[in-house]
Formats: sequence, C-alpha cells, structure tokens
Amino acid sequence: GAVVSQHPSWVICKSGTSVKIECRSLDFQATTMFWYRQFPKQSLMLMATSNEGSKATYEQGVEKDKFLINHASLTLSTLTVTSAHPEDSSFYICSERRQETQYFGPGTRLLVL
Amino acid sequence: DAKTTQPPSMDCAEGRAANLPCNHSTISGNEYVYWYRQIHSQGPQYIIHGLKNNETNEMASLIITEDRKSSTLILPHATLRDTAVYYCIVASQGGKLIFGQGTELSVKP
Repeated sequence: GAVVSQHPSWVICKSGTSVKIECRSLDFQATTMFWYRQFPKQSLMLMATSNEGSKATYEQGVEKDKFLINHASLTLSTLTVTSAHPEDSSFYICSERRQETQYFGPGTRLLVL
Repeated sequence: DAKTTQPPSMDCAEGRAANLPCNHSTISGNEYVYWYRQIHSQGPQYIIHGLKNNETNEMASLIITEDRKSSTLILPHATLRDTAVYYCIVASQGGKLIFGQGTELSVKP
C-alpha cells in the first residue's frame, strides 16, 4: 500500500496566489523528504531536499523564496509555491527516504491560470 | 552521482519477459542501482535495487554484471499494466535520486 500521501491531488489557482502542497509519511518518521517537479513529456527534476527541523537544501536554479519548504514534523513536509504564475504549472511529487530506498507520493498537479 | 543510459523506448508482447537494459559505466563502488517506474500521471513506483548481487522480488529481477557497469531489469511475464516509463538510477545509499529520461515500455496484446 501507499506509504506517502500528498494533498491536494490537483489544484487550480489564479496567477499571483500562493498554493500549499502537503506531503505526509503514513507510517514512518521521515527525517528527509524530497520535492520533485515534472513538466509534460519530461522526466522528474529534483527541486530540494527537505530536512526535519532544519532548512531545506535547494538544487541549483530553484528559487528558495518562491518554493518555500517546511518540514516541521517527522511525518509532514509542505511545499508552498508563492505568487504562482502559469509557468509554475506542473506535476509536483514528494518522496521520503526510508533506509536505502525512496518512496514517492502520488503527485499534485498544479494549474495556474 | 553516476549517470545512466537507457534506450528511449521498447515494446514487449503481453505474457513475454521484458528485459530492460541500463548502462552505468561510471558507477562508484558505494553506489546502488535503483529501478523505478512511472505510470502515466502517477508518482514513481519503487521496483528493486541492488549493489553487486542479482536481486529478485515479487515484481522483477535485477541482473548486475560482474564489473557493475551495466544491469538489466527483467519483468518475467509482462502484462498490459506494466506499460510505463522505467527509470534506472545510480545513487549512493541515502543519496539523491536524479532521474534521467528512462525507457518507455509498451506492452502490447
């Protein structure tokens, strides 16, 4: 069964608004989670590593002030897309590190109008 | 992390074995080979991983060459539901998973 959940599964918002996506570990205390983004017909791109109780580590080229990550508990990481624009429309996927392996959530599809 | 090379697409007949190759000639001694698949509009699904030895689970088998420079994922009896993009990723234990373009496997009736 699923070990990682995401909420919402899809969201439509107006340009300029902020959107929060939640990633929950269902039966594991995940000290490390990851956030990916995937555009149509492309592969997953790692955005950032979310560390419980500390600041996230962002990949090169990802704006940390635009994509706010909070990992306040061992079972919840959130990604907030601030002042969203149409080019932020994408499929956002989180994952948790569990021993040697990562397990992925079902993804959140964001459409910015 | 080492990069991998996979064919962009493959076809397989339903019920037959699907053999998906992956080259990772620059793999380091402490790096694992991971396989994931992504069915359209879903998050990636973990399949299997290995370090040196061949591995088998309920989903697939992973064959790693002795020099570890390549591997093959085997789906023993492919079904239509196995149609997906398959990603071969090399990473250290607990390291970041960097996705390439993967192999788009089409299982045909």
